[in-house]
Amino acid sequence: AQSVTQPDIHITVSEGASLELRCNYSYGATPYLFWYVQSPGQGLQLLLKYFSGDTLVQGIKGFEAEFKRSQSSFNLRKPSVHWSDAAEYFCAVGVQAAGNKLTFGGGTRVLVKP
Amino acid sequence: DGGITQSPKYLFRKEGQNVTLSCEQNLNHDAMYWYRQDPGQGLRLIYYSQIVNDFQKGDIAEGYSVSREKKESFPLTVTSAQKNPTAFYLCASSIGDAQPQHFGDGTRLSIL
Repeated sequence: AQSVTQPDIHITVSEGASLELRCNYSYGATPYLFWYVQSPGQGLQLLLKYFSGDTLVQGIKGFEAEFKRSQSSFNLRKPSVHWSDAAEYFCAVGVQAAGNKLTFGGGTRVLVKP
Repeated sequence: DGGITQSPKYLFRKEGQNVTLSCEQNLNHDAMYWYRQDPGQGLRLIYYSQIVNDFQKGDIAEGYSVSREKKESFPLTVTSAQKNPTAFYLCASSIGDAQPQHFGDGTRLSIL
């Protein structure tokens, strides 16, 4: 069965420092991948997506992610974190022709220190 | 502006009662989804619908029911058979396969 793992439940980072959130997946087929961000009590907002092609994808709010097939990973990065980046981040994976069903990781909560 | 509207934002259920959560979208998306989110956990799929008058069970469908009579609407009923309904419920829609899902702002359901 497919699965998505976000190994870090919480990450605390200082404002201005870099951030990297890990995502590992287990899928039999070639997946497509997303990163979403959720503020408390809100829905999820799409940060970026990967379907095919260039393995380094750029998203909104200065985020980027790199797809590494050999490592089954899709890690999210930001060079310099702002206080407004404090939120919960979810990695999601889907397989084409599967009804667009997504499997979500458990999320990583990011805290930003001044 | 196009988007997904979930209502109400907060909902309380008494024991033995069914409650219905509303989800409406004006994005003209074919597919719609319901997820349940528990504290510290990711999203789990309850039901999804790829086309009007058709829907499929997700991973945790027991105790829930849905209908899809109109393209823009996908209400979720939490029945009395759902013994642990307290959670944050998210509705999403998508234009099709391998496309991002767009989310509403959620409904928080609590037990009285």
